Parts: sequence; C-alpha cells; structure tokens
Amino acid sequence: NAGVTQTPKFQVLKTGQSMTLQCAQDMNHEYMSWYRQDPGMGLRLIHYSVGAGITDQGEVPNGYNVSRSTTEDFPLRLLSAAPSQTSVYFCASSSYLGGLADTQYFGPGTRLTVL
Amino acid sequence: QKEVEQDPGPLSVPEGAIVSLNCTYSNSAFQYFMWYRQYSRKGPELLMYTYSSGNKEDGRFTAQVDKSSKYISLFIRDSQPSDSATYLCAGGGNAGNMLTFGGGTRLMVKP
Repeated sequence: NAGVTQTPKFQVLKTGQSMTLQCAQDMNHEYMSWYRQDPGMGLRLIHYSVGAGITDQGEVPNGYNVSRSTTEDFPLRLLSAAPSQTSVYFCASSSYLGGLADTQYFGPGTRLTVL
Repeated sequence: QKEVEQDPGPLSVPEGAIVSLNCTYSNSAFQYFMWYRQYSRKGPELLMYTYSSGNKEDGRFTAQVDKSSKYISLFIRDSQPSDSATYLCAGGGNAGNMLTFGGGTRLMVKP
C-alpha cells in the first residue's frame, strides 16, 4: 500500500493563479480531509468528505473548493491564489465507523508559496 | 481563544529524561483525544489514541486524559534523540472524524 499520496510536493504560484492539489489513498477509506498547517497554528481543517459525492466545510474553507467523485481521490482546488494561502497542505484519510474516529493517516504534504 | 492549546516550546531535555507534554482544551463535547508526532518536513503520524478519561500506555509512551479539568498529557519515558519532533495533540467529538489540533510542542532530546 502506498497509503496517502499527495502531489505536487512543492509549488510556487503568483497571486490570482488557480491550481489543484492532488490527494489519493489506496486504503479504501471513506473519510478524507484537507488541512493547512501554519507556524504556531497547528493543523486547521479546510474541507472534508465522508464518502464519494459528499463533502463539507471545515474551519477555514474560504478560497478552496473540493469534490469527491471516487473513494480514492480528493483534490483541493485553489480558485484564485492569495499570499495568505501560503502554507503546508496535508491530506488525511481514515475509516469512518458510524461516527467514531479511527486512525487518520496523513500524506507527506504540499508546500505552497503564493507570491 | 483556540479550542486546543499547547505550549509551542521548544522543550529541550537530555537523553533518558522523562518528558511531559501537555494540552488544555475548552470543548466539552470532545470524547476522544490523540497525540501525533511530526518530524520536520513530514506529515503527522498517530502516536496514541484515547477515548474519554483515563490512561493509556504503549511502550515508552503514556497518554492521560482528565476530562474534569480538560487536560491532556503525553509522557515519554527514557527519551531518545529520535523522539525529537513536534508533538500535536488533538480532540474530537462524536460527530464524525473532525479533529481540532493544538499548535504543537517542539521537543528536542539531546544526546
């Protein structure tokens, strides 16, 4: 198993550009989520999904879109990049067992810089 | 005020020391609590998972939850230089897998 994979590892964007961060998992997990990590702020939830076709907002959703067309993939779209979106982005997945938490597996992260 | 608070450190200890890492939280709905370890430029990895109050031990690691005081602790016995990392605590309720993370404490274990 590759676990949770993320591409690209690094990305530099100019203000106003759009891009998609890719996330895939091969563990057949129902639950997937996107976090951003900023110094001293910990991990903050952007969007999450409890299954294909179902997504919801987390703590900091503005400026980001997601969709979940398959169990395996959960891309994160930046619509119009802003310097405030400079961060490290982590994708995570876990089993979803009737509302109870299970181990979340994190990807290696994407380091995004917006100039 | 953040829902989960951690001292950012860094916390520097000599090899072999007992390390105590702590978090406080404010959300009474939290039922389960996790500790993640994150090495530099890597994704977090789960260390310990506890449900409700009490202690849980796994090798050199012990997690404690005191829901009455909303206090979470992680103890590391016989600390090793390989334990040098950032430790993130997190809490979650029963409404799914949404976790709220603290800001992380950076630990340095010196040989």
